[in-house]
Amino acid sequence: DTGVSQDPRHKITKRGQNVTFRCDPISEHNRLYWYRQTLGQGPEFLTYFQNEAQLEKSRLLSDRFSAERPKGSFSTLEIQRTEQGDSAMYLCASSARGLAGAYNEQFFGPGTRLTVL
Amino acid sequence: GQQVMQIPQYQHVQEGEDFTTYCNSSTTLSNIQWYKQRPGGHPVFLIQLVKSGEVKKQKRLTFQFGEAKKNSSLHITATQTTDVGTYFCAGQNTGNQFYFGTGTSLTVIP
Repeated sequence: DTGVSQDPRHKITKRGQNVTFRCDPISEHNRLYWYRQTLGQGPEFLTYFQNEAQLEKSRLLSDRFSAERPKGSFSTLEIQRTEQGDSAMYLCASSARGLAGAYNEQFFGPGTRLTVL
Repeated sequence: GQQVMQIPQYQHVQEGEDFTTYCNSSTTLSNIQWYKQRPGGHPVFLIQLVKSGEVKKQKRLTFQFGEAKKNSSLHITATQTTDVGTYFCAGQNTGNQFYFGTGTSLTVIP
């Protein structure tokens, strides 16, 4: 257990439905990342936050995806009008600034596995 | 766009044999991280390399960062069954995005 939690762990939905996932990072970590991972592939960057500010979004993130981190603590990732191609593991990770000022290791949560029927 | 490739995609070794995975980036990286993911699990951080030509060791694991900061390798000496999993490199460019490699899946045959 890394201290990063994600909810739900599994989500099955029908195509066209909206889904929302939640991530609770390690409390003192001000950076939070969202990734998507499909079978046999590495995690694919979606977006990241520094505190409550969303600083970068992948060009691969369509307008159906939106993420928030309203108080700089937990984050939500919403997918609207889900498609079968959205089926994947959605991973959240958090990190903190190290002693030298750089951000070091990312602590990953267990992920939310989304299946779109 | 940025790409990070890893080879080989799969590796089967007899327990006790050595293992190496290679990571290559299409662009110069500011740093590179290595992660291990067990089947059904999430990525777990192993190490971060920052300096050109840097070499770091963790027991049987040796990590290298290339002089041009575009490639890296992970070498495991005398593999054990506990080494089973997929090893990913993740390169960070001048921005703050991490680009994960395609991963090398290691199987250790007892």
